[in-house]
Amino acid sequence: SAVISQKPSRDICQRGTSLTIQCQVDSQVTMMFWYRQQPGQSLTLIATANQGSEATYESGFVIDKFPISRPNLTFSTLTVSNMSPEDSSIYLCSVLPGGAGNEQFFGPGTRLTVL
Amino acid sequence: AQKVTQAQTEISVVEKEDVTLDCVYETRDTTYYLFWYKQPPSGELVFLIRRNSFDEQNEISGRYSWNFQKSTSSFNFTITASQVVDSAVYFCALGGAGSYQLTFGKGTKLSVIP
Repeated sequence: SAVISQKPSRDICQRGTSLTIQCQVDSQVTMMFWYRQQPGQSLTLIATANQGSEATYESGFVIDKFPISRPNLTFSTLTVSNMSPEDSSIYLCSVLPGGAGNEQFFGPGTRLTVL
Repeated sequence: AQKVTQAQTEISVVEKEDVTLDCVYETRDTTYYLFWYKQPPSGELVFLIRRNSFDEQNEISGRYSWNFQKSTSSFNFTITASQVVDSAVYFCALGGAGSYQLTFGKGTKLSVIP
């Protein structure tokens, strides 16, 4: 398994501002992901954070809105840019230490409220 | 395309009752993986179990048990003698062979009433 921490744990932001969420893992992992969970909904994959190259975004998500950094194998950031109330969600990072087909481990999440 | 259906949106049981959470999946892959995660009110997702498509043995872990049936494309989760601490949203998820992406169901919110 892996121990994952996220900062901040929660935040309340004003419309039009940006927030950067940090994800730290206690061991080196190749695969790291960012998910969004809108209120009362399931998880939706935003992107795969690739170390040393641009993130791979899923349909409906773009780099300008959700820029991602992955400077090394234990750390990543997700920025939610130019926020609107529709961005109010829980944002979770996850890692896949064992490769495809194995379980992903999730961070505690960041609860974002946009006013 | 892959799909996971958790038809039960919310379930309430009285403490010590048994409860089964249903999960039905769709996939064209012959090799795939099924997962259950628990999300308590605090928000983090806790991994519970992983099962690959070639292993239909049922699994028991304490009060938890899982019934995997390929014939009905189901992977149901039973909690025996439920406790208040079991109150959470439970997600079933599906992963394909060679794919890192998980497809999650919409989750079932379980409330255990003391």
